[in-house]
Amino acid sequence: ETGVTQTPRHLVMGMTNKKSLKCEQHLGHNAMYWYKQSAKKPLELMFVYNFKEQTENNSVPSRFSPECPNSSHLFLHLHTLQPEDSALYLCASSQPDLSGSPTDTQYFGPGTRLTVL
Amino acid sequence: AQKVTQAQTEISVVEKEDVTLDCVYETRDTTYYLFWYKQPPSGELVFLIRRNSFDEQNEISGRYSWNFQKSTSSFNFTITASQVVDSAVYFCALSDPKIQGAQKLVFGQGTRLTINP
Repeated sequence: ETGVTQTPRHLVMGMTNKKSLKCEQHLGHNAMYWYKQSAKKPLELMFVYNFKEQTENNSVPSRFSPECPNSSHLFLHLHTLQPEDSALYLCASSQPDLSGSPTDTQYFGPGTRLTVL
Repeated sequence: AQKVTQAQTEISVVEKEDVTLDCVYETRDTTYYLFWYKQPPSGELVFLIRRNSFDEQNEISGRYSWNFQKSTSSFNFTITASQVVDSAVYFCALSDPKIQGAQKLVFGQGTRLTINP
């Protein structure tokens, strides 16, 4: 399998449930990202991991908890979500320039369509 | 702050027509990157092009062409002889180089393009 994969593709959960989204990249990249795409807002960056270290948390509520066990896998753990958290959650990966200059291109997965009831 | 504006929310044309998608950006950085992504109904963002701020040459790739004008802070995208398969949401994005070693993108609102047969 190539590129960036995400599972599940669709998820419906209640506000008291706990679930996890999974992202896996097969591109040999070292940076991974979570984005949220809702109907009324542009794509919002949530988290960035670079070499397994979290380098960005874009003021995301604590009910979203990311985990990056290695450079190929990224999880988003969800608990006590609200209906307004219903959205498409996109994962991306990139290969940062070793000099630190952000010249890389992000490649996206197909997303998980989350519905919170 | 970085900002990307795609003023056209929706565009609808008949197949074989040419169509231009506008993108205007704001940044105080002298070095930055601009991107276009395509999001078909499947949800995945497909990378189309990356352009750095020092390269103002227009680029053509098949039916796609891009016009980068630093003087007007615009990076417009033209599809010639449009096809039904071009129907998608198109996003323009600007790099925010504040994170060392990983790319942070600021996206526009997107333009929904519908090509009618």
